[in-house]
Amino acid sequence: QQQVKQSPQSLIVQKGGISIINCAYENTAFDYFPWYQQFPGKGPALLIAIRPDVSEKKEGRFTISFNKSAKQFSLHIMDSQPGDSATYFCAASSGNTGKLIFGQGTTLQVKP
Amino acid sequence: DGGITQSPKYLFRKEGQNVTLSCEQNLNHDAMYWYRQDPGQGLRLIYYSQIVNDFQKGDIAEGYSVSREKKESFPLTVTSAQKNPTAFYLCASSLYEGFEQFFGPGTRLTVL
Repeated sequence: QQQVKQSPQSLIVQKGGISIINCAYENTAFDYFPWYQQFPGKGPALLIAIRPDVSEKKEGRFTISFNKSAKQFSLHIMDSQPGDSATYFCAASSGNTGKLIFGQGTTLQVKP
Repeated sequence: DGGITQSPKYLFRKEGQNVTLSCEQNLNHDAMYWYRQDPGQGLRLIYYSQIVNDFQKGDIAEGYSVSREKKESFPLTVTSAQKNPTAFYLCASSLYEGFEQFFGPGTRLTVL
């Protein structure tokens, strides 16, 4: 019940296309859902996050869509660029525990 | 510059030796965390600390130990009891437990 399942494992998108990464969870107590971007050999960087009181959050080319009833959330990268090529992790936590549960990661390659 | 530093970047250890990984932050964050990352997997929580002189086990604490004697420092010791210590270790901090977590650049540990 503590798992966060992320798909796909890898994704190849053409420059200018839309990249979509999906995550699903079981624990209904989760109330914070961040996405992290990680480049090879570097630490993850917080990209965007959402709480379940909204269904969508947009920051620049990055959008989180949240479906509370389906217990799913997704990251959309609009106008994907080669510089977006990285590994993306979704995560979830509940209350004030601060314990993030991470998905397995998605390796995104944007072809020029 | 405010941020999280981890040292060393690369670390090699012989089997049977203990090794300590450093994590320092100057963000004045109360909470600090240690994660382990293996290829193709998400991050798994080893230990976390909400305040000085207090810390809790995460999901994979066996074979690891930590201390939190100062607010800005949270070193991780990988002991000889850790069966498979070769991994990428990431330190993170947040203002309070449950707030956004920011990651350091990581230490890659290889056991020879």
